[in-house]
Amino acid sequence: QLQLQESGPGLVKPSETLSLTCTVSGGSISSSSYYWGWIRQPPGKGLEWIGSIYYSGSTYYNPSLKSRVTISVDTSKNQFSLKLSSVTAADTAVYYCARHPYSGDYYMDVWGKGTTVTVSS
Amino acid sequence: QSALTQPRSVSGSPGQSVTISCTGTSSDVGGYNYVSWYQQHPGKAPKLMIYDVSKRPSGVPDRFSGSKSGNTASLTISGLQAEDEADYYCCSYAGSYTLYVFGTGTKVTVL
Repeated sequence: QLQLQESGPGLVKPSETLSLTCTVSGGSISSSSYYWGWIRQPPGKGLEWIGSIYYSGSTYYNPSLKSRVTISVDTSKNQFSLKLSSVTAADTAVYYCARHPYSGDYYMDVWGKGTTVTVSS
Repeated sequence: QSALTQPRSVSGSPGQSVTISCTGTSSDVGGYNYVSWYQQHPGKAPKLMIYDVSKRPSGVPDRFSGSKSGNTASLTISGLQAEDEADYYCCSYAGSYTLYVFGTGTKVTVL
């Protein structure tokens, strides 16, 4: 059974870079059928798609965050990562990783449990 | 790309039906048959309930159904049960540049 697990610092200082990793278990991140994405949810608010990556390194980013976001993949570790630069309090959120089909369909069918990141000095 | 619009809350008694609307534009909901719905209980990750407007993943009760008309998609929960009390989010494909846009979320309360 495929599982995703987010990991990373729970506290990040303003203006610094938020770094998170999603580890995929029970399946291969190199599957040709899926993209791997990041979604966040500020406290008490809705979901926001951040971006997604294919195992080859091809990426899509939310235009509203694109200038600050980098998503990378490490197939040898079955992991993909998120970097968000120049963070502010508005970036405080629960960050989820999830899987979605590579092409011809658009939905997220497997999610990690989420990790809380607080931006504060 | 703005968030899709959902009612803040809906409620119903056990056994009743409730419908949640999700209004977008011709660039997202109205332009593609790629609307999905997610259920989220407090402190938990979202769970896929409906995809491709009206398809149910394996294991999702047939009490959950989806539809779309123009720029508005809908999720209907029939035979409401206590465990259906949760937040629900719609999501639509929004083109090759934006990819995904989520709705504002709806809290379903079982009275």
